[in-house]
Amino acid sequence: IAGITQAPTSQILAAGRRMTLRCTQDMRHNAMYWYRQDLGLGLRLIHYSNTAGTTGKGEVPDGYSVSRANTDDFPLTLASAVPSQTSVYFCASSRGYEPGANVLTFGAGSRLTVL
Amino acid sequence: QKEVEQDPGPLSVPEGAIVSLNCTYSNSAFQYFMWYRQYSRKGPELLMYTYSSGNKEDGRFTAQVDKSSKYISLFIRDSQPSDSATYLCAMSRSGAGSYQLTFGKGTKLSVIP
Repeated sequence: IAGITQAPTSQILAAGRRMTLRCTQDMRHNAMYWYRQDLGLGLRLIHYSNTAGTTGKGEVPDGYSVSRANTDDFPLTLASAVPSQTSVYFCASSRGYEPGANVLTFGAGSRLTVL
Repeated sequence: QKEVEQDPGPLSVPEGAIVSLNCTYSNSAFQYFMWYRQYSRKGPELLMYTYSSGNKEDGRFTAQVDKSSKYISLFIRDSQPSDSATYLCAMSRSGAGSYQLTFGKGTKLSVIP
C-alpha cells in the first residue's frame, strides 16, 4: 500500500541523547514535512522540503535538523534531546508545495518521550 | 489573534445527529480549505478539499466555505460511532508568500451509540 512509513513507532529517550526519526514515502511526492503535535497546541511545522536537495524551517525548528538527499527519505534528527521535545511527530508529504498540490498525506506518527 | 480558530470541544452527540464543525480565520489570502480526520493514535487523513467559497458534498459529509465571513464548516449527516475522531481544519493561501498549510487545533467529536 502506497504511503508514508515512519520509524520508530514509539521511543523513550534520555535527555541529551541524539535521536533520528525516519520517514520514507513511496508516492514520488516532491514535498515532505515534519510536524509535531502537542495537546492544546495542535500541529506545528518543524521543517519542510519542497523538493529533494532543499529544506526550509517551519514554525518550531530549534533543536531539530533535517536532510533530503533523495525524493523518498526525509529523516528528522534531534541532536541533543530535551524533555520539551516530548511529543508525537508526524511526517507528511504532498505532490508539490504550490496551492492545489499541497494536500498532505500523513504517516502514522512517532511517539517520543524524553526523560 | 490566531490565524485559524477552532473550538477544541469535546463535542458529544447521539448517533444519527447532524454534526456541525467550524473554523474561523483572519487571513483573507486563504483560498484553499481542507478538513482532516484524525483517529486516536493515528495520523490525520484528508476528508474534504475545497477551493474558494461554496459547498462541496461527499456522501454524508458537506464542506462549506463562506469567504465573506471568513468561516468554514464541515457538516456530518446521520453521524455514526465510527465518525468519533478529532477533526482538523486547514487552509492555504494563494498568490505570493508561503503556501504552507495553517491548521486549526482540532475539534474532538464523540458519537454515542
